[in-house]
Amino acid sequence: GQNIDQPTEMTATEGAIVQINCTYQTSGFNGLFWYQQHAGEAPTFLSYNVLDGLEEKGRFSSFLSRSKGYSYLLLKELQMKDSASYLCAVRVRGGSYIPTFGRGTSLIVHP
Amino acid sequence: DTGVSQDPRHKITKRGQNVTFRCDPISEHNRLYWYRQTLGQGPEFLTYFQNEAQLEKSRLLSDRFSAERPKGSFSTLEIQRTEQGDSAMYLCASSLETESPLHFGNGTRLTVT
Repeated sequence: GQNIDQPTEMTATEGAIVQINCTYQTSGFNGLFWYQQHAGEAPTFLSYNVLDGLEEKGRFSSFLSRSKGYSYLLLKELQMKDSASYLCAVRVRGGSYIPTFGRGTSLIVHP
Repeated sequence: DTGVSQDPRHKITKRGQNVTFRCDPISEHNRLYWYRQTLGQGPEFLTYFQNEAQLEKSRLLSDRFSAERPKGSFSTLEIQRTEQGDSAMYLCASSLETESPLHFGNGTRLTVT
């Protein structure tokens, strides 16, 4: 199986930058997803990394290092609405390529 | 693209009763997933369909749980003889291809009293 580790909770200030880390231990790595989930709502897709490097999408960027089993999600110019849980999910080759989720990082943005 | 829809949004039931949830995936998506999520945890995989075939089931899925996708479109998840430990958010997701991201529905929140 996969072992996925994320910090449980982080706090940051509106307008600042925050980096949410995700480490994983798995064999047959086939991609990593980041999802955002507001309380009581469905997870929504943010980014997908399968190759090493940085993927940038507006205020959000995601980085992957396959050799280190490490990814991070970078959120810039934080807004209050960014307060949410951020879920890291890893997919492995073989079988049906089903993503396994970490427990999520609860981000609290304060004024 | 109307998104993934789930019904009902909330279900309160007494222990021992059976419940059934429905999921309508995005129409062109042939892959459908069921996950369960409890407070403070990430989604936990339950089962997966490709078209009408149920290709994977989690080892955590007890025999009280059954899922179907009879025509490769909507899916149902039934829980028989519910227990308090079944209380959770049940999430359905669909995707177009193996490498595509999952699109989640808003979930069905089950409370077993």
